[in-house]
Amino acid sequence: DAGVTQSPTHLIKTRGQHVTLRCSPISGHKSVSWYQQVLGQGPQFIFQYYEKEERGRGNFPDRFSARQFPNYSSELNVNALLLGDSALYLCASSKPNTGELFFGEGSRLTVL
Amino acid sequence: QKEVEQNSGPLSVPEGAIASLNCTYSDRGSQSFFWYRQYSGKSPELIMSIYSNGDKEDGRFTAQLNKASQYVSLLIRDSQPSDSATYLCAVNIPGGTSYGKLTFGQGTILTVHP
Repeated sequence: DAGVTQSPTHLIKTRGQHVTLRCSPISGHKSVSWYQQVLGQGPQFIFQYYEKEERGRGNFPDRFSARQFPNYSSELNVNALLLGDSALYLCASSKPNTGELFFGEGSRLTVL
Repeated sequence: QKEVEQNSGPLSVPEGAIASLNCTYSDRGSQSFFWYRQYSGKSPELIMSIYSNGDKEDGRFTAQLNKASQYVSLLIRDSQPSDSATYLCAVNIPGGTSYGKLTFGQGTILTVHP
């Protein structure tokens, strides 16, 4: 079975631009979460979606938004990019009833 | 106080030894605990989950949980150079539909030398 897939894998943007990251969960997983990981730190929770509804939001500004589609895939959008948004953005899907997260390979965003 | 704390290391052990990784957490409402392995430049990979007090073994890995002490650990027996990675401790964020919401420690860098 395919794992969590994310696109793009790498991207470079300039300050003030907008970015959209995409994620497809493992087949059968209905919950998708997004995490930000900066170098040297553990991943930090951004959003959780379950059955197309936002079920949790971390301590991130309103420039960050997300949505989940009927096929359970998801998008993360970041507006007005700042240098500090440079990070690895991880998408994970949850195995039902266990809380176990399985991560995709991530999208590495560099903001210049 | 950080919600999930780990020693950042690096922890260096010889090949064949036991590596011991430790983690403490602050929220007594947490019920699910996970260990992830992350190789440099890669994404985290789940290696163990534990939900009740005591030990859980899977191959060379043993996770230990003590909710009273708010402590979770990971033992790696017969350590191999391929075990060299950053090990992340993660704890669920209680409340609501909490699946998918984890708090991670900063990770412990493990180096296994031949």
